[in-house]
Amino acid sequence: QLVESGGGVVQPGRSLRLSCAASGFTFSRYTMHWVRQAPGKGLEWVAIISYDGSDKYYADSVKGRFTISRDDSKNTLYLQMNSLRAEDTAVYYCARESDVYTIRGEFDYWGQGTLVTVSS
Amino acid sequence: SYELTQPLSMSVALGQTARITCGGNKIGSKNVHWYQQKPGQAPVLVIYRDSNRPSGIPERFSGSNSGNTATLTISRAQAGDEADYYCQVWDSSTVVFGGGTKVTVL
Repeated sequence: QLVESGGGVVQPGRSLRLSCAASGFTFSRYTMHWVRQAPGKGLEWVAIISYDGSDKYYADSVKGRFTISRDDSKNTLYLQMNSLRAEDTAVYYCARESDVYTIRGEFDYWGQGTLVTVSS
Repeated sequence: SYELTQPLSMSVALGQTARITCGGNKIGSKNVHWYQQKPGQAPVLVIYRDSNRPSGIPERFSGSNSGNTATLTISRAQAGDEADYYCQVWDSSTVVFGGGTKVTVL
């Protein structure tokens, strides 16, 4: 199970940190992702962190502003979002890679999402 | 950057077959995954690595991938299949989604 939290309304230029609590599987074995969906729009991949935390990649739209991290001792994935813009408004999902110890962008489990609204 | 092209929408009669295409340059050389998303819900994986079904996904869902087009086929369409469908690949250390296809079952 994946449960996101930390969403809310934030002013442009401010920061927010999202969390994704994992349970029911060995979190440290899996690569994890953040994917977002603006209201009425399609899915947009945001970031990935490998199972061991050594590899992190970002979409161009968030590079330099967002940081993905993980705390395996807490079974939790994070997304630190800085310098937020109106276009960052979206439901943010965390998603798990299908297989252990792999990085191939294939998601078998998703959380239910947390809504981030960037507005003054 | 790599791009995936899907039709915005399509309709299928109840009990008939829907074929949703996903176009991309030499997509046949990549692994394509398909997700179903119903309103207000998180996406669900329905096909992985071109043509494999996760457990719990009906056999009515199938996939193929060749050349510049991948296809998700829904046979004997049911009302519950009405949803948005997204194709997705992994390219140059990034995840790429198609724009999504809204499927309406008539």
